[in-house]
Amino acid sequence: EAGVAQSPRYKIIEKRQSVAFWCNPISGHATLYWYQQILGQGPKLLIQFQNNGVVDDSQLPKDRFSAERLKGVDSTLKIQPAKLEDSAVYLCASSLGLAGPTGELFFGEGSRLTVL
Amino acid sequence: GIQVEQSPPDLILQEGANSTLRCNFSDSVNNLQWFHQNPWGQLINLFYIPSGTKQNGRLSATTVATERYSLLYISSSQTTDSGVYFCAADLVRDDKIIFGKGTRLHILP
Repeated sequence: EAGVAQSPRYKIIEKRQSVAFWCNPISGHATLYWYQQILGQGPKLLIQFQNNGVVDDSQLPKDRFSAERLKGVDSTLKIQPAKLEDSAVYLCASSLGLAGPTGELFFGEGSRLTVL
Repeated sequence: GIQVEQSPPDLILQEGANSTLRCNFSDSVNNLQWFHQNPWGQLINLFYIPSGTKQNGRLSATTVATERYSLLYISSSQTTDSGVYFCAADLVRDDKIIFGKGTRLHILP
């Protein structure tokens, strides 16, 4: 079974530029998550989708970050304009997301962003 | 607020030693997961353990949900066990998953 796919693996941009990350979850997983992990810290949830609806985006900096999951499968996370403090690894995860508890999370390899 | 705390923050051991990592959570949980973050940054699932004890080779985990903690045991440590171990708690209150800050384990050859 294929795992969670993410791209690109690495991205270097200058501040005020834009960047987009893509995620393809495990087939059949209804719930998709984007996490931000700053060096030395644990992952922080940015946004959680259930199918193509947003369940939680309370920690997403909406003035510069946006995310979508149009057909309930793939998702894109965009940052525009980027700031230095956005340098981090952006992790995508998915779970079955059936009714009730969230279920076991599975992570992709992550997309490492460096903002200069 | 809801907290997930891991201890110790750092642990240095000689190869062959045993270790116990702890995760405390401040609220009721639906389940708890343990992950190992490898040197390339990927989070690898170790255990999905809402309660009870599970074992996988040299690793085992125990969650006592009523007392709000989970333990990860690593026996006969190997250098490949080095990395950061995270626990993540799925909270009953709002079905959010919160990560601890991790335990950084360094196994010396």
